[in-house]
Amino acid sequence: SQKIEQNSEALNIQEGKTATLTCNYTNYSPAYLQWYRQDPGRGPVFLLLIRENEKEKRKERLKVTFDTTLKQSLFHITASQPADSATYLCALPGGSYIPTFGRGTSLIVHP
Amino acid sequence: GAGVSQSPRYKVAKRGQDVALRCDPISGHVSLFWYQQALGQGPEFLTYFQNEAQLDKSGLPSDRFFAERPEGSVSTLKIQRTQQEDSAVYLCASSLSRRLTRNQPQHFGDGTRLSIL
Repeated sequence: SQKIEQNSEALNIQEGKTATLTCNYTNYSPAYLQWYRQDPGRGPVFLLLIRENEKEKRKERLKVTFDTTLKQSLFHITASQPADSATYLCALPGGSYIPTFGRGTSLIVHP
Repeated sequence: GAGVSQSPRYKVAKRGQDVALRCDPISGHVSLFWYQQALGQGPEFLTYFQNEAQLDKSGLPSDRFFAERPEGSVSTLKIQRTQQEDSAVYLCASSLSRRLTRNQPQHFGDGTRLSIL
């Protein structure tokens, strides 16, 4: 069956370090992958989309990689700040291209 | 408004009551999605509309769940004879394109937190 795996354990890092979050998937052949940020009590907010023919995508302090051979995407936040603390969700197009979400990984950046 | 609006933000109901949750998508957005999010989990797909047509309702957990979007804008998710397992956050999202292959990002509302006592 199709599965999207994100680390359920929270990632704790110090301010200024680079945070790296992982999204692994099985039984998908996605044309693209999306990353969203979700704050407590709020809906997810779109951050980045990377297509299958793109190895890497950058936006300000964010960088996403997409390895279709490993079936993995890595999400990096450089020079992390306490304001980056949130849950980060990856999403893939599932049946009928309807976005399917992972459970998300909580990032906590300590000052 | 500028974003997706959902109401009410919180809803408490007794088991067996019917509830209705409202979603106002971004004006002009063709596609509308409903998701259910349990604590500590990602959003789980419920149903999808393209304008007023409900094209996919495969995620609705039972026939007690019903969604409509009669004029292709505002949508309502109705849950009849609520059960405790229905307690969750219900998220609505809209996107501009009618073609999901165009991979337009989804714009989410802040959800309705439903608690069934």
